[in-house]
Amino acid sequence: KAGVTQTPRYLIKTRGQQVTLSCSPISGHRSVSWYQQTPGQGLQFLFEYFSETQRNKGNFPGRFSGRQFSNSRSEMNVSTLELGDSALYLCASSLGDSNSYNEQFFGPGTRLTVL
Amino acid sequence: GEDVEQSLFLSVREGDSSVINCTYTDSSSTYLYWYKQEPGAGLQLLTYIFSNMDMKQDQRLTVLLNKKDKHLSLRIADTQTGDSAIYFCAESRGGGFKTIFGAGTRLFVKA
Repeated sequence: KAGVTQTPRYLIKTRGQQVTLSCSPISGHRSVSWYQQTPGQGLQFLFEYFSETQRNKGNFPGRFSGRQFSNSRSEMNVSTLELGDSALYLCASSLGDSNSYNEQFFGPGTRLTVL
Repeated sequence: GEDVEQSLFLSVREGDSSVINCTYTDSSSTYLYWYKQEPGAGLQLLTYIFSNMDMKQDQRLTVLLNKKDKHLSLRIADTQTGDSAIYFCAESRGGGFKTIFGAGTRLFVKA
């Protein structure tokens, strides 16, 4: 079974631009979560999508948005990029059943650099 | 609020045991986790413990949970150089999503 894939793996943008990152979950997984990892703030939860709906949300500004498609693939968008958005963006997928334990499987991440 | 704290560095000699500690604040946490991240790699789930358990053992790994003190620890027996990595403590209320992570403990293993 293929793991979680994220594209692109590396991205360089300039301040003010916008960026879209993509995540393909493990086949059969309906939940996709996004995390931002920076040296200063560590790993922070952005949001989680389940069945095309945002089910959980972290404390990030509205410049960070996401969506999920009917095939469970998810995209994350960051508009008006700031230098502080430079980070490793990790995506994780799970079955998404809220009534039992579901292991999250993480992708390799997309390294975004904002110049 | 939600907060997970852990020490930033730990250095041990090869063959010794490593103990990484973590405290969390959310008493509603249902699951507590230990993840491992090696340089340039994604996160790997090492083990998790359900909040109604106080201990879990898996080969060289032992997890202890003190729910009263909201304290979680990971013991790695016979630590090897390949165990050098960053170890993240994490917690969640639900079934594994909206996971709150600590800052990570960087484990150095000296040969």
